[in-house]
Amino acid sequence: AQTVTQSQPEMSVQEAETVTLSCTYDTSESDYYLFWYKQPPSRQMILVIRQEAYKQQNATENRFSVNFQKAAKSFSLKISDSQLGDAAMYFCAYRSAEAGTASKLTFGTGTRLQVML
Amino acid sequence: DTGVSQDPRHKITKRGQNVTFRCDPISEHNRLYWYRQTLGQGPEFLTYFQNEAQLEKSRLLSDRFSAERPKGSFSTLEIQRTEQGDSAMYLCASSFGGTAGNTIYFGEGSWLTVV
Repeated sequence: AQTVTQSQPEMSVQEAETVTLSCTYDTSESDYYLFWYKQPPSRQMILVIRQEAYKQQNATENRFSVNFQKAAKSFSLKISDSQLGDAAMYFCAYRSAEAGTASKLTFGTGTRLQVML
Repeated sequence: DTGVSQDPRHKITKRGQNVTFRCDPISEHNRLYWYRQTLGQGPEFLTYFQNEAQLEKSRLLSDRFSAERPKGSFSTLEIQRTEQGDSAMYLCASSFGGTAGNTIYFGEGSWLTVV
């Protein structure tokens, strides 16, 4: 079974600064996707960024980028120019792309990000 | 398109009572997922449907839990004889197609408190 580990329960960053959230995962599969989801307080979870395992190029979405190290099974999220609206729980998630799998998301335990003025 | 909607948003029930949650996915999304999330934890997969067929159930889904999606549109999650350990947020999500890279959209969740 796949597992996702987020070792930072909480992180804080100054507004306009850069912060990196860590995620490691364990799998024996070769075809999968990795995601970062953001869950603001009392709001629904929204997708921040996704990475396909077969793509070597790190994904980027505006101020959000990832550092995907497939051999190390590491998938960190970098948030540049942090804004107050970035304050939320961030979840790293894994989804198998192997044929015949359920294609469900497996989540880590989350990292709470605080953004300081 | 108003996104995934869940009802009720909050439910307080006495131990032993039955509760039912409803989820309306994004229209035309053929996949629907249920997750459970407790405080300080990430969401845990419970079950998912492709159209009206329930294709996988987690071992977390005990006999007291049942989910349906009768016409391949909305879904219900019923918990019978609730226990305090059932207190959690129940998240519904939907997606179009089964490609792993497709975005899964989540609702705001239904909070259950069992007293």
